[in-house]
Amino acid sequence: AQSVAQPEDQVNVAEGNPLTVKCTYSVSGNPYLFWYVQYPNRGLQFLLKYITGDNLVKGSYGFEAEFNKSQTSFHLKKPSALVSDSALYFCAVNRGGGYNKLIFGAGTRLAVHP
Amino acid sequence: SAVISQKPSRDICQRGTSLTIQCQVDSQVTMMFWYRQQPGQSLTLIATANQGSEATYESGFVIDKFPISRPNLTFSTLTVSNMSPEDSSIYLCSVEQGGQPQETQYFGPGTRLLVL
Repeated sequence: AQSVAQPEDQVNVAEGNPLTVKCTYSVSGNPYLFWYVQYPNRGLQFLLKYITGDNLVKGSYGFEAEFNKSQTSFHLKKPSALVSDSALYFCAVNRGGGYNKLIFGAGTRLAVHP
Repeated sequence: SAVISQKPSRDICQRGTSLTIQCQVDSQVTMMFWYRQQPGQSLTLIATANQGSEATYESGFVIDKFPISRPNLTFSTLTVSNMSPEDSSIYLCSVEQGGQPQETQYFGPGTRLLVL
């Protein structure tokens, strides 16, 4: 069965430090991978995606993610965290090839402390 | 990306009643999706709505409970019927843009529903 795992319910980071939000997936075939962010009382905002090509993907607000096929991971990273990055982050996978169903992870709450 | 709006943004309803949620997109899109996000939970796909065809429902969701309309390429509605407190959730619509294989789903702001 297809699944996405975000092993950490919450990640705490000091402002200015690098952050990593982890995501692993289990999907047959070549997956399309996504990160979304949800701020309080807001909908989901698209951050970045991996389709093919360079394993390091750059997205909005200085975020990037690294696709690792051997480890089936797609961790979200940022070199220097901001307090305003505090939000709920969702990893999602789409099996691709015309199959449009997004499967979401449980979400990771990122708390950046001043 | 498309600009997506939803109405209402939030509502408080009595059990046994129904609520229709509207989703409007500022451009024509083929695929529209409806998701549910229960309190403290992740998103779960309810159904996929293509213009001109019946919506396709995911396991655990049925048309009698969540009827969907898709009258044109910029608009869709989701009705939550005969509501119970368990239906209290955020309901989000999304659209797909970018074309194969670059398609990305973009989400509306959500409708926050509380059923008493």
